[in-house]
Amino acid sequence: GAGVSQSPSNKVTEKGKDVELRCDPISGHTALYWYRQSLGQGLEFLIYFQGNSAPDKSGLPSDRFSAERTGGSVSTLTIQRTQQEDSAVYLCASSLGLAGGYNEQFFGPGTRLTVL
Amino acid sequence: AQSVTQLGSHVSVSEGALVLLRCNYSSSVPPYLFWYVQYPNQGLQLLLKYTSAATLVKGINGFEAEFKKSETSFHLTKPSAHMSDAAEYFCAVSNTGRRALTFGSGTRLQVQP
Repeated sequence: GAGVSQSPSNKVTEKGKDVELRCDPISGHTALYWYRQSLGQGLEFLIYFQGNSAPDKSGLPSDRFSAERTGGSVSTLTIQRTQQEDSAVYLCASSLGLAGGYNEQFFGPGTRLTVL
Repeated sequence: AQSVTQLGSHVSVSEGALVLLRCNYSSSVPPYLFWYVQYPNQGLQLLLKYTSAATLVKGINGFEAEFKKSETSFHLTKPSAHMSDAAEYFCAVSNTGRRALTFGSGTRLQVQP
């Protein structure tokens, strides 16, 4: 079956522009995560959606970052007024989100964002 | 709160030699522990996981890891390195209260012929 997909695979933008990154989770997965992988900060958690619950936004680095998950499926990560330090690979993951116990996270291939 | 420390950002071994990648964790509740591998220009792939069952966990490609609560460690080993094992390896922790993964800084494994 289809895995997690992300688009675009690469995005080059100018400092100050807004960007939108998209994630299509595995069908039936109620949990969705965004992570960022950068040279300076390694792999870091950004935001977590679980079903209809309020998202866990504790990893968002600034108020320029926001994310939505429409209809419990597709998610969009938006970065406003991009800065050069936003350059990174943005990874999306999804899982079944079952209560109790462990749910394996499946990762997408990532979107490489370059801010000039 | 939870955290992961990976000792050694770069490890180099000879082909056929033992691979040992170190991971220590901190968690205020029983943890779930993971090792992921990332090949160049590829996504993250789960190697193995500890989720409170057996403390010695076997994963793909001949890797295994042992959960040692007393040492708060989850080191990754492989008896005999292959050239194809060259990649970056990440240790990660989560728990039932915090599902998001907290990653270590990664260890780049180089395998010499």
